[in-house]
Amino acid sequence: DAGITQSPRHKVTETGTPVTLRCHQTENHRYMYWYRQDPGHGLRLIHYSYGVKDTDKGEVSDGYSVSRSKTEDFLLTLESATSSQTSVYFCAIATGGRYYGYTFGSGTRLTVV
Amino acid sequence: AQKITQTQPGMFVQEKEAVTLDCTYDTSDPSYGLFWYKQPSSGEMIFLIYQGSYDQQNATEGRYSLNFQKARKSANLVISASQLGDSAMYFCAMREKKLTGGGNKLTFGTGTQLKVEL
Repeated sequence: DAGITQSPRHKVTETGTPVTLRCHQTENHRYMYWYRQDPGHGLRLIHYSYGVKDTDKGEVSDGYSVSRSKTEDFLLTLESATSSQTSVYFCAIATGGRYYGYTFGSGTRLTVV
Repeated sequence: AQKITQTQPGMFVQEKEAVTLDCTYDTSDPSYGLFWYKQPSSGEMIFLIYQGSYDQQNATEGRYSLNFQKARKSANLVISASQLGDSAMYFCAMREKKLTGGGNKLTFGTGTQLKVEL
């Protein structure tokens, strides 16, 4: 199984502060994704990466930026956190194989107060 | 328009009974894949089953089967012999068109909360 870890697992932050979430993979997978999960919306794509320094926007990218300076790390930054960004954030990697499948991290629960 | 529709926000099933979770999808791409994921209360996303758009047979994985009706654009998950541990949120997802850089986008439905009762 692909090793994928997210940090932190939980975070409470104040409105207006910057926040960075980290996704780390132990294998050399090219494609990495950030999703947010909200009740009634399922999971929605924020940003994705297709290589080192190669990133693009998903459907709910406003207020978020990403960086990928190494294959193994994909960072999601909330430039100035708002209460609407309170959510559970999942990182995923495309692991390929028979199903062109995806493996998800354990999620980060972010609360903006 | 919704790409993936799950019309059952919540469902109950008796232990040992079978249950069907509905999923319909919309795509114009002839090549796509359909996934079901389970999310227990602990929060992780667990892959259950996959169906490719060109697969002739319905996918099965143990107690899980996918009732794939391509013309109707439906991909219902059937869980046989429900167990208490099946209580969870279930998401249908579709992998379709390529994103910039070659990766595929995975689009999710809103989920169905299943509760298995004694």
